[in-house]
Amino acid sequence: EAGVAQSPRYKIIEKRQSVAFWCNPISGHATLYWYQQILGQGPKLLIQFQNNGVVDDSQLPKDRFSAERLKGVDSTLKIQPAKLEDSAVYLCASSLGGSDTQYFGPGTRLTVL
Amino acid sequence: AQSVTQLGSHVSVSEGALVLLRCNYSSSVPPYLFWYVQYPNQGLQLLLKYTTGATLVKGINGFEAEFKKSETSFHLTKPSAHMSDAAEYFCAVRRAQAGKSTFGDGTTLTVKP
Repeated sequence: EAGVAQSPRYKIIEKRQSVAFWCNPISGHATLYWYQQILGQGPKLLIQFQNNGVVDDSQLPKDRFSAERLKGVDSTLKIQPAKLEDSAVYLCASSLGGSDTQYFGPGTRLTVL
Repeated sequence: AQSVTQLGSHVSVSEGALVLLRCNYSSSVPPYLFWYVQYPNQGLQLLLKYTTGATLVKGINGFEAEFKKSETSFHLTKPSAHMSDAAEYFCAVRRAQAGKSTFGDGTTLTVKP
């Protein structure tokens, strides 16, 4: 069974530029999560989708971050414009439902210069 | 509100020695508790979880954890460390059934030959 796929794996941008990350969850998983993991910290949930609807985006900085999951499968996370403090690993995870085990992708490491 | 505290950001043990990684949590409702392992440049992998029932939970790779409600703890143990156990370990808490997971800041385990 294929795992959660993410791309790109690494991205370096300058501050004020925009960037987008892509996630393809495990087939059949209705719930998709985006986490931000800053160096030395645990993952922090940014947004949770159930199919193509948002369940929780309370910690998403909506002035610069946006995410979508239009067809209830793949998802993209965008940052526009990026700030230095956005440097982190962005993890995507998926699960069958909101109460099930989460499976994590390898993450995208973003460096903002 | 819920939170997780992992005591000790770095733990070093000799190969063959006992591994003990500490996790204390706070939660206003009965929690679900998780331990994840993260190898360099990889996503998180679930080691074990406590939901209900037996308080001693066994996971993969010989790890186990015990839920102690009176101490609000969920410490991770392994009787004999192996070199391949060197990684970062995260404890997480979630409200029963659904809701977002809150992660600790992680403990880096080093195994010395």
